[in-house]
Amino acid sequence: EIVMTQSPVTLSVSPGEGATLSCRASQRISSKLAWYQQKPGQTPRLLIYDASTRATGISARFSGRGSGTEFTLTISSLQSADIAVYYCQQYKSWPLTFGGGTKVEIK
Amino acid sequence: QVQLVQSGAEVRKPGSSVKVSCRASGGTFSSASFSWVRQAPGQGLEWMGGIIPMLGTANYQQKFQDRVMISADESTSTAYMELSSLRSEDTAVYYCARSSGYSFPFDPWGQGTLVTVSS
Repeated sequence: EIVMTQSPVTLSVSPGEGATLSCRASQRISSKLAWYQQKPGQTPRLLIYDASTRATGISARFSGRGSGTEFTLTISSLQSADIAVYYCQQYKSWPLTFGGGTKVEIK
Repeated sequence: QVQLVQSGAEVRKPGSSVKVSCRASGGTFSSASFSWVRQAPGQGLEWMGGIIPMLGTANYQQKFQDRVMISADESTSTAYMELSSLRSEDTAVYYCARSSGYSFPFDPWGQGTLVTVSS
């Protein structure tokens, strides 16, 4: 099983500032990585797939980078609407696995 | 546009079973992959298993191997997840999620089904 580790657990950011979230895979997963956003009380939503491709309708303020075992999600100019928990997930091999999540909050 | 609609909330007693459905509309069904992901209160996302209907065989996370059964009915474009020997720790929201195949991200997700296990 590929273990996904996210850091930090919580990220406090001032409005308008940028935020960088990290995700590490225990094995190489090429670019088979997705990022999901889950707002309070809502269903997860696909943000980024193949490590760096934005899903349909996702703001250009969200960008993903990385391959192999190290990945990042960057949110530029944080807005109140970005308050959520962000999860990474590998789909290189089954069992599919998620990271523990990073909670982004407003400072 | 693919949509997934899940069955409604359930309350079960410890030791019993629950079966949750996920009906897909739009897109292809048979060659897609349907996974079940659960989220306990205040916790993260946990993949339970998945199925590609045209292949018929489900794959499970080892933790759930002995208690979960995932199936799909191509005639109604519906995926199912049945969890048995329920315990209080199984109280969670259960999501179905579609992928375009074996190695693709989840998009879309169903609305979630709350399963409460309580005596």
